[in-house]
Amino acid sequence: AQSVTQPDIHITVSEGASLELRCNYSYGATPYLFWYVQSPGQGLQLLLKYFSGDTLVQGIKGFEAEFKRSQSSFNLRKPSVHWSDAAEYFCAVGGGVTGGGNKLTFGTGTQLKVEL
Amino acid sequence: GAVVSQHPSRVICKSGTSVKIECRSLDFQATTMFWYRQFPKQSLMLMATSNEGSKATYEQGVEKDKFLINHASLTLSTLTVTSAHPEDSSFYICSGQGVDLPRRTEAFFGQGTRLTVV
Repeated sequence: AQSVTQPDIHITVSEGASLELRCNYSYGATPYLFWYVQSPGQGLQLLLKYFSGDTLVQGIKGFEAEFKRSQSSFNLRKPSVHWSDAAEYFCAVGGGVTGGGNKLTFGTGTQLKVEL
Repeated sequence: GAVVSQHPSRVICKSGTSVKIECRSLDFQATTMFWYRQFPKQSLMLMATSNEGSKATYEQGVEKDKFLINHASLTLSTLTVTSAHPEDSSFYICSGQGVDLPRRTEAFFGQGTRLTVV
């Protein structure tokens, strides 16, 4: 069975500081990996995704993530955080187009606070 | 990216009544729709997967008679919470996946529906 672990429930950073959100996954084959951001009471917005190819993935809003197969990790990074980045971040793993669609398993989320 | 519209965004209903939530793919044909439930400060839990024209596949522990899912067309899926109770209060989110690449490899999320049962 697939699973996702986000070890950090809460993270607080100062505006302008760098950010790294951790994500570890368990999946039996090559995973499809995603990072989503959710503002309070809102749906999910896709930040970036990894399917194959270059292991360093660029996303929207200045985010990037690196797929490391040997560590089963897909950590999200941003060099300089803005106050508007404060939100909940979810890492997710999916199995691709086989098996009835891209059914996603989500991590428990990391709540990001940004201090001004 | 593709757009999925979910309606209503908020609904309050009385205990014992039924509530219908709609999920529409606006600019693509969603052959597969996923319905998730999210409790406060928790992650999204998949409730069911539906393919257009077929019966939905429910995850373990989800009551299919309580959470009725219909996916009659390629652009519309509905979730009906029947005989709602306060414990059904939650945030429900749908996502749609299409057949044409790149939409076949990604699911697009609606804005979510906050259901409160009083």
